[in-house]
Amino acid sequence: GAVVSQHPSWVICKSGTSVKIECRSLDFQATTMFWYRQFPKQSLMLMATSNEGSKATYEQGVEKDKFLINHASLTLSTLTVTSAHPEDSSFYICSAPLAGGQSEQFFGPGTRLTVL
Amino acid sequence: AQSVSQHNHHVILSEAASLELGCNYSYGGTVNLFWYVQYPGQHLQLLLKYFSGDPLVKGIKGFEAEFIKSKFSFNLRKPSVQWSDTAEYFCAVKGYNQGGKLIFGQGTELSVKP
Repeated sequence: GAVVSQHPSWVICKSGTSVKIECRSLDFQATTMFWYRQFPKQSLMLMATSNEGSKATYEQGVEKDKFLINHASLTLSTLTVTSAHPEDSSFYICSAPLAGGQSEQFFGPGTRLTVL
Repeated sequence: AQSVSQHNHHVILSEAASLELGCNYSYGGTVNLFWYVQYPGQHLQLLLKYFSGDPLVKGIKGFEAEFIKSKFSFNLRKPSVQWSDTAEYFCAVKGYNQGGKLIFGQGTELSVKP
């Protein structure tokens, strides 16, 4: 199957700093990628849809100025958590679908963010 | 708005027992349905999916699911579980005109005792 990678796999940062998380589709092109957030023992909550060459679409309640998304190429989307606070600590997961109507999504391994 | 509900938060079974995990969704149009599994420390993997056709879908590792449109349900089943099936299971729905967005259920933790 298709492979999606994320970097870094985990990061610890101080409150007030910004953290960038990368999501790459390794063997296919993805004009769309999705960013999810998962709290411990809870489900994945869709944060935003990343669109190559255009602005991301954010879900209701997600601050677009807090979670900056850039989809610079057909294989790379980045999520930047700006001015991170302890409540931003979570597991961030990206996914990318293959092209085509009946495509499944392939998920990255996730990035564990801990804000001190 | 779309929503997905998984009835069981945590299921504990002995090996060889049969499994059924409930999933109900709320959406007014055509949907695609998925079951994903997340083994401890690993990323999400697709177990099976339904797009159209036969409502009984077979997936990997002996899992199957049945789409019952009238009940808005997509329950996951396995006739005989193994210890290696211990994982978190997520049901997900994609609305036909929702741009590929997946909406996940709360997840069900399955623990299989050897």
